[in-house]
Amino acid sequence: NFMLTQPHSVSESPGKTVTISCTRSSGSIASNYVQWYQQRPGSSPTTVIYEDNRRPSGVPDRFSGSIDSSSNSASLTISGLKTEDEADYYCQSYDSNDGVFGGGTKLTVL
Amino acid sequence: QLQLQESGPGLVKPSETLSLTCTVSGGSISSSNYYWAWIRQPPGKGLEWIGNIYYSGITYYNTSLKSRVTISVDTSKNQFSLKLSSVTAADTAVYYCARRGYSYRFDPWGQGTLVTVSS
Repeated sequence: NFMLTQPHSVSESPGKTVTISCTRSSGSIASNYVQWYQQRPGSSPTTVIYEDNRRPSGVPDRFSGSIDSSSNSASLTISGLKTEDEADYYCQSYDSNDGVFGGGTKLTVL
Repeated sequence: QLQLQESGPGLVKPSETLSLTCTVSGGSISSSNYYWAWIRQPPGKGLEWIGNIYYSGITYYNTSLKSRVTISVDTSKNQFSLKLSSVTAADTAVYYCARRGYSYRFDPWGQGTLVTVSS
């Protein structure tokens, strides 16, 4: 199976833009959909991006997702950062019928 | 609105079997469009996929846990269950159940239940 590697932590100021990467270790990132989940302390994860770049209803358009085949990675970009965006973010994909999560990235908005 | 709720003992002794149930409300577990999943998160750590089940009983398990995991479904009760045998302290985690869509999106998730393995 493959692994998804995320930076352990990122930080940025309110109003700025931050991008979190998720690199697939083997196989093409474009082969299987990538999801992104937000998890606030003490809460269950919720979807912020699904199927690479689609936003669920209720998720602000400040959140966007993309795929880059050249770096075999997916990215989550959050623009106009707000303090409420501070959370852990996980990328997730799959291979055949096996689910795979990235290690998670702690976003600090300071 | 679909909701999932985990239930089961919060404390399990080492070497014993962890057993949890997920009750689905607001929708049918027999929907042909979805699988049902268990995912866990050790304290302070990341998410780990445990396995999926289809309403017909088809299962897929994480290779690293496969020898110890059994997921089953009870369509009459709209529930699915997890059994993890021979547990150790490393199995201490918050266990979540979730619905898995065709694109392998997990949504929604249950609130999670903390299971501690300790004597």
